[in-house]
Amino acid sequence: TQLLEQSPQFLSIQEGENLTVYCNSSSVFSSLQWYRQEPGEGPVLLVTVVTGGEVKKLKRLTFQFGDARKDSSLHITAAQPGDTGLYLCAAEMDSSYKLIFGSGTRLLVRP
Amino acid sequence: DSGVTQTPKHLITATGQRVTLRCSPRSGDLSVYWYQQSLDQGLQFLIQYYNGEERAKGNILERFSAQQFPDLHSELNLSSLELGDSALYFCASSVSSGRNEQFFGPGTRLTVL
Repeated sequence: TQLLEQSPQFLSIQEGENLTVYCNSSSVFSSLQWYRQEPGEGPVLLVTVVTGGEVKKLKRLTFQFGDARKDSSLHITAAQPGDTGLYLCAAEMDSSYKLIFGSGTRLLVRP
Repeated sequence: DSGVTQTPKHLITATGQRVTLRCSPRSGDLSVYWYQQSLDQGLQFLIQYYNGEERAKGNILERFSAQQFPDLHSELNLSSLELGDSALYFCASSVSSGRNEQFFGPGTRLTVL
């Protein structure tokens, strides 16, 4: 059983469309991170959210942390082919220094 | 470029063999983490070292071991290799305080034949 559930698993959209991916758990997080990984490369940290209800923007990407700190979403506006990749959420749940990763959302943006 | 380096980039070996993967963290980072990524299991945490000492352990097999040296580089040793050990192995580093933001290396692709 995944502690962090990500949905959808796969998403294929046309350039210019908007999309939202979700990261959910029954546990409370002290913080949550979003990473993007391209094939054959390591994950790259996009953002860290800490406070319940927090919203952070990174250009066309908007990250939201749920009020109860159990879930998060990533919204991409006007997706571009360069956004293609595997989006991973990760959380440190019990101050154990271990990051638990979700299974990821694989995004393909078609030109 | 995250500042984390890993060698080798690719490794092909046979079942039963032993290999060593190497990682150099970002300058100033005291923590090193090792992860295994396979198609069916996703990114799995193996082990963490902080300033030379083991700090946290994940789903690491007994055939696997790691250490962090005084210069803070780390090695992951995989022995008695099996076909199922074929995967990408990532090293990450962090300052290891506060939010535990980790910076990943480019990975080592291990193929066991």
